[in-house]
Amino acid sequence: DAKTTQPPSMDCAEGRAANLPCNHSTISGNEYVYWYRQIHSQGPQYIIHGLKNNETNEMASLIITEDRKSSTLILPHATLRDTAVYYCRTSYGKLTFGQGTILTVHP
Amino acid sequence: GAGVSQSPSNKVTEKGKDVELRCDPISGHTALYWYRQRLGQGLEFLIYFQGNSAPDKSGLPSDRFSAERTGESVSTLTIQRTQQEDSAVYLCASSRRGEYTEAFFGQGTRLTVV
Repeated sequence: DAKTTQPPSMDCAEGRAANLPCNHSTISGNEYVYWYRQIHSQGPQYIIHGLKNNETNEMASLIITEDRKSSTLILPHATLRDTAVYYCRTSYGKLTFGQGTILTVHP
Repeated sequence: GAGVSQSPSNKVTEKGKDVELRCDPISGHTALYWYRQRLGQGLEFLIYFQGNSAPDKSGLPSDRFSAERTGESVSTLTIQRTQQEDSAVYLCASSRRGEYTEAFFGQGTRLTVV
């Protein structure tokens, strides 16, 4: 499993873009990058994943660097409901998670 | 059902008792995972089932913890002789094929050992 490193916390103003970084410098060539989030007292929710191309869906965009050693999750217009813990992971099989980033969106 | 279902949603048990937690994965999902999340902490991997392969039990914290899965359906997580440190939310997730596919989580079982 590639170890991931994320900042423990970040703040963002409502309506602004939230850019959440993740380092995964030991990622191997065929490991995907996944992002999940966990809103207080709920089960984690899948957001997006990618291999080497940038990805976008209705929830977020994922930017992966060319060397694949890091990625950024972008919430283009953060809302108060986006306040959550955001987890980045790369792994095979057992779906391990790091400590994540607590994102607080404030008015 | 449409999503991963866990039962019970809440369980209060006395120290020393055994408990069984149930997870119904999404139909057709071959991979199933159990996690523990203590209050204010991150997700702690417990066990992983993938199809008919031997489960990855590397995250089970002690021999008081065990889990079973029948084929590609229901899984039960059993904790014997519960201790107060077992108090946590136990989360289950399933995915279509394990790696390379996104996982979907249930809402968890909140276990309180008194």
